[in-house]
Amino acid sequence: GAVVSQHPSRVICKSGTSVKIECRSLDFQATTMFWYRQFPKQSLMLMATSNEGSKATYEQGVEKDKFLINHASLTLSTLTVTSAHPEDSSFYICSAYGDSYNEQFFGPGTRLTVL
Amino acid sequence: SQQGEEDPQALSIQEGENATMNCSYKTSINNLQWYRQNSGRGLVHLILIRSNEREKHSGRLRVTLDTSKKSSSLLITASRAADTASYFCATADYGNNRLAFGKGNQVVVIP
Repeated sequence: GAVVSQHPSRVICKSGTSVKIECRSLDFQATTMFWYRQFPKQSLMLMATSNEGSKATYEQGVEKDKFLINHASLTLSTLTVTSAHPEDSSFYICSAYGDSYNEQFFGPGTRLTVL
Repeated sequence: SQQGEEDPQALSIQEGENATMNCSYKTSINNLQWYRQNSGRGLVHLILIRSNEREKHSGRLRVTLDTSKKSSSLLITASRAADTASYFCATADYGNNRLAFGKGNQVVVIP
């Protein structure tokens, strides 16, 4: 199956700093990538849909200025958490949709801890 | 998009037993998928069932879909310790690929 990677796998940062998380489709082109957020013992909540070459579509309640998404190529999308605060600490998971597979493939997730 | 919702169960079973979990959703769907997540890890796709299908098998997994009741079930037969994980259903709308995840079921298989 197709592989999606995320980097870093875990990051600890100080409050007020910005953190960038990368999501890459390693062996297929992804016209659409999705970003999810998961709090401990909870489900995944879709944050935004990212289409290559266009602006991301954010779900209701997700601050687009807080969570900057860039999908500059068919294999890379980035999520930048700006001015991170402790409440942003969470598990962030991306997925990539491959047209040729007609399926979403999920990355391994990034654990963000904001001190 | 609609939200798949599992019954909020935490299952603890003995190895070899079957594990059943349910999922309900609210609106029309294109398909319903089940995923597994080991603690602190990413998601593993288990099985997809389309809205025009009623039952699907994959190895020790059996999924049913009842669109009239807007519900699905996942059965894991002959459970193994390695099946210990959280299981999520996710529904996909027609016309887009956005997934709405349910709350998840924690399954613990005791060796």
